[in-house]
Amino acid sequence: DIQMTQSPSSLSASVGDRVTITCQASQDISNYLNWYQQKPGKAPKLLIYDASNLETGVPSRFSGSGSGTDFTFTISSLQPEDIATYYCQQYDNLPQFGGGTKVEIK
Amino acid sequence: EVQLVESGGGLVQPGGSLRLSCAASGFTFSSYSMNWVRQAPGKGLEWVSYISSSSSTIYYADSVKGRFTISRDNAKNSLYLQMNSLRDEDTAVYYCAREQGGVSTPFDYWGQGTLVTVSS
Repeated sequence: DIQMTQSPSSLSASVGDRVTITCQASQDISNYLNWYQQKPGKAPKLLIYDASNLETGVPSRFSGSGSGTDFTFTISSLQPEDIATYYCQQYDNLPQFGGGTKVEIK
Repeated sequence: EVQLVESGGGLVQPGGSLRLSCAASGFTFSSYSMNWVRQAPGKGLEWVSYISSSSSTIYYADSVKGRFTISRDNAKNSLYLQMNSLRDEDTAVYYCAREQGGVSTPFDYWGQGTLVTVSS
């Protein structure tokens, strides 16, 4: 099974800061990597698919990059409404989610 | 507008059974593969099961294999999850999610979730 290692598990940043989350796959998954945002008590929301494609309607401050085993998710300028937990997900074979990163405002 | 609405959750004793439903609307249900994903209280997301658009291909996570059965009724625009031999560790919010298709087949629409509590 492919393992997804997401880091950090939590972070605290100021409004306007650049925030970066990484996800590492245990084997090459090409660009079969997606990113989701989940706010408390809500269902996850797709933000980035195919490692770097922005889902329709998602603000451009969110971006993704990487291929193979190493992937990065970035919020270019953190906003108060971005407080949430973010998950990476691979779909090379069966879906597998990373452990999540809880983003808080400093 | 795409909508997925889960139902059927509740409190059940260990060893019991429960059937979850997911009613789909706003899209051609029969054209999309579907999944169940769960989230234990305070924990991360765990994929549970997949079913292709025609029900020809089905997959399960090892944690539920042999106990859970996924199915769908395209005529009724509905997805189901039959859960048997439930354990304490199956306690979670269960989401149905649509696969977008394409390269990485992301889950582009999710229901609001239904809570399953397994406890004596």
